[in-house]
Amino acid sequence: GAGVSQSPSNKVTEKGKDVELRCDPISGHTALYWYRQSLGQGLEFLIYFQGNSAPDKSGLPSDRFSAERTGGSVSTLTIQRTQQEDSAVYLCASNPDRSKETQYFGPGTRLLVL
Amino acid sequence: GNSVTQMEGPVTLSEEAFLTINCTYTATGYPSLFWYVQYPGEGLQLLLKATKADDKGSNKGFEATYRKETTSFHLEKGSVQVSDSAVYFCALSRYNQGGKLIFGQGTELSVKP
Repeated sequence: GAGVSQSPSNKVTEKGKDVELRCDPISGHTALYWYRQSLGQGLEFLIYFQGNSAPDKSGLPSDRFSAERTGGSVSTLTIQRTQQEDSAVYLCASNPDRSKETQYFGPGTRLLVL
Repeated sequence: GNSVTQMEGPVTLSEEAFLTINCTYTATGYPSLFWYVQYPGEGLQLLLKATKADDKGSNKGFEATYRKETTSFHLEKGSVQVSDSAVYFCALSRYNQGGKLIFGQGTELSVKP
């Protein structure tokens, strides 16, 4: 079946602009996670959704970052007033529910802020 | 807090050599432990996992044993192939923390023919 999909696959933006990154999880998966992979910081957790609620936002690096999930499915990660240090690959993962533990990752969105 | 430490790479081996990538963790309670792999140009995928002490995870000839006494989850393979060239990430999760993954810094493996 279809895996986790993310769009766009690549995004180049200018410093100060806002960007939206989209994640389509595997159908029926209630848990959804966002991570960031960057050269300096490795793989970092950003935020976790259970259904449409986000019980854990502890990894969001600043208030310029926000995320929402609607209909228990698609999630959007928004970065406002982008900075060069936001350049990274943003990964989305889902699992049937958090108790199942194995997370299925999307291919990522590569963000470059000029 | 919870953390994972992996041996630094890159690791370069000849085909059919023995592989060990060390991973140690710090966590309260009993985390689940994972190895994820990222092949060139591809996304992260689960390689193996173990959910309790003394469990052994295995897949594609790779093995790792959950050692609580040494807080370790070292990855091993008896005979590596060129196709094993990838970046390997050790990770842990805690059910009561939403299952989020805490990753090590990753170890790049390059296998030469």
